[in-house]
Amino acid sequence: AQSVTQLGSHVSVSEGALVLLRCNYSSSVPPYLFWYVQYPNQGLQLLLKYTTGATLVKGINGFEAEFKKSETSFHLTKPSAHMSDAAEYFCAACMEYGNKLVFGAGTILRVKS
Amino acid sequence: GAVVSQHPSRVICKSGTSVKIECRSLDFQATTMFWYRQFPKQSLMLMATSNEGSKATYEQGVEKDKFLINHASLTLSTLTVTSAHPEDSSFYICSAREPGRNAYEQYFGPGTRLTVT
Repeated sequence: AQSVTQLGSHVSVSEGALVLLRCNYSSSVPPYLFWYVQYPNQGLQLLLKYTTGATLVKGINGFEAEFKKSETSFHLTKPSAHMSDAAEYFCAACMEYGNKLVFGAGTILRVKS
Repeated sequence: GAVVSQHPSRVICKSGTSVKIECRSLDFQATTMFWYRQFPKQSLMLMATSNEGSKATYEQGVEKDKFLINHASLTLSTLTVTSAHPEDSSFYICSAREPGRNAYEQYFGPGTRLTVT
């Protein structure tokens, strides 16, 4: 079955430190990949997406992610964490064009001052 | 562009009553809308996929008679929780998909917090 795995349900970093949130997918073909952020009691906001082309994708708020087919990964990074980055992050994949999204379990990011 | 709204944002109802949640695509036509349920500290669980003008497709384990979905127009889908019980309390999120070249992408609404007392 196709799946998305996020390693680490909680990640804690200091303000100004590198943020790395891990995401791996399981699919026989490269899927479309997404990272979403969710603040408490709010919907999902798209951070960035990979469809085709350049494997390093830049998103909003200084986040970026790199699609690595050989590792079936799509890890999310940000060079310098800000307090406002504290939220829950979801990796998701669309395995087929026009098909439904498969979500990872989510990673809660905590930023310490 | 690609804005999805939900109404209401919060609702409290008594056990045994029914509650309707609306999901609207404000600036595009959505041939397909999705309904998700999210329990505290958990990921989104897809409940059903609704296509305009046809019956919704429910995920395994989701009671179609309990969660009625109607997608009567290209900009509106509704989820009705019938005879709600406290275990139905949850955060419900809809998303919408625009046909065409961006058909892989879903645009999410802000969610509806349902509390059943």
